[in-house]
Amino acid sequence: SQQGEEDPQALSIQEGENATMNCSYKTSINNLQWYRQNSGRGLVHLILIRSNEREKHSGRLRVTLDTSKKSSSLLITASRAADTASYFCAPGNAGKSTFGDGTTLTVKP
Amino acid sequence: GAVVSQHPSRVICKSGTSVKIECRSLDFQATTMFWYRQFPKQSLMLMATSNEGSKATYEQGVEKDKFLINHASLTLSTLTVTSAHPEDSSFYICSARLGNWNTEAFFGQGTRLTVV
Repeated sequence: SQQGEEDPQALSIQEGENATMNCSYKTSINNLQWYRQNSGRGLVHLILIRSNEREKHSGRLRVTLDTSKKSSSLLITASRAADTASYFCAPGNAGKSTFGDGTTLTVKP
Repeated sequence: GAVVSQHPSRVICKSGTSVKIECRSLDFQATTMFWYRQFPKQSLMLMATSNEGSKATYEQGVEKDKFLINHASLTLSTLTVTSAHPEDSSFYICSARLGNWNTEAFFGQGTRLTVV
């Protein structure tokens, strides 16, 4: 298994702005998942992108995957205060995912 | 998304006792579930992979006799923290994989364990 590393560690933006978070990993993967965690809670699954996909959308979320650079990005458009949370990427190999330290996003109203 | 329920959400126990945490997939069958622990302001650390009908696979450094995992059915995995000590206090979270190795994994709401 391998760990994703999110960047930046912390991001603070105004409501309505877009937020971009990046994830890098070291070895080959089958898929990569993005999750959101509110303080003290479980993780909410946002999106899964497979290794043969380059981009995926879900509502205000856009995820890209570049396997040649071993990186992924999560874009949240038109952010809201409710988007304030920690965001984790989870590179998956052989069905197992491990997590990095996440990006803490703060959206100011 | 699919629903994973974890119980209890909070538990306080005395040092030396054992605590069982349940993880259930409510609307799908999960042959594979995962158990993680998370310390405050830190990431999730994978403890073990739980496979229905077989022994769990533990990550390096995780004591299998300390953290007993049972995946007796396609919808239930349990984690028992045996002879708990204050250093076992943590946030324990399970996840259940929707299907094969290349499908989504959904998380429970977590269990806050405090050992006093």
